[in-house]
Amino acid sequence: GESVGLHLPTLSVQEGDNSIINCAYSNSASDYFIWYKQESGKGPQFIIDIRSNMDKRQGQRVTVLLNKTVKHLSLQIAATQPGDSAVYFCAEGYGKLTFGQGTILTVHP
Amino acid sequence: DADVTQTPRNRITKTGKRIMLECSQTKGHDRMYWYRQDPGLGLRLIYYSFDVKDINKGEISDGYSVSRQAQAKFSLSLESAIPNQTALYFCATYDPRTDTQYFGPGTRLTVL
Repeated sequence: GESVGLHLPTLSVQEGDNSIINCAYSNSASDYFIWYKQESGKGPQFIIDIRSNMDKRQGQRVTVLLNKTVKHLSLQIAATQPGDSAVYFCAEGYGKLTFGQGTILTVHP
Repeated sequence: DADVTQTPRNRITKTGKRIMLECSQTKGHDRMYWYRQDPGLGLRLIYYSFDVKDINKGEISDGYSVSRQAQAKFSLSLESAIPNQTALYFCATYDPRTDTQYFGPGTRLTVL
């Protein structure tokens, strides 16, 4: 079936480094993608989104890149901080979301 | 106050018991969703509702049922709980005007 998946389950970085989290999707008709951050014991928290008519979108310290040719999107976090440590998910859809497996980001001081 | 609340936050039950998880929202959204999360995995859709008269099965509805008592309330029931239903359960609402989904804090359910 259609799915959204991640390449790497864990990522460890030093504070101040840039982080890149990747996600592959299989549904070429996917139109809307969202990145979520989930901290332990909490629900997913919206980070940034991108529509299929865009290649790049920037937020505060975060950038999402979408490559429709290879059905891949990435989340870049600039100057990663210890507070960024969490599980990051990509998801696809409007309301009825299809989530990827998740990447655990650990930021070392 | 939280916009989407879930009760209980934690529940331990035994195999075969009937369990109801409650979700309430103050967002005024028509669309509500129940997701399940297993360790190391993303959320998977169990059921969703577009309004009080519109209930739809999601990806993994077997073993679950739902009730939309009002616009603000959407309950998830496990008629006869089994251990592989041990998971985190999240309720969410959705605003189609902004394409924003709002998640509750989750219910951690353990079935022994």
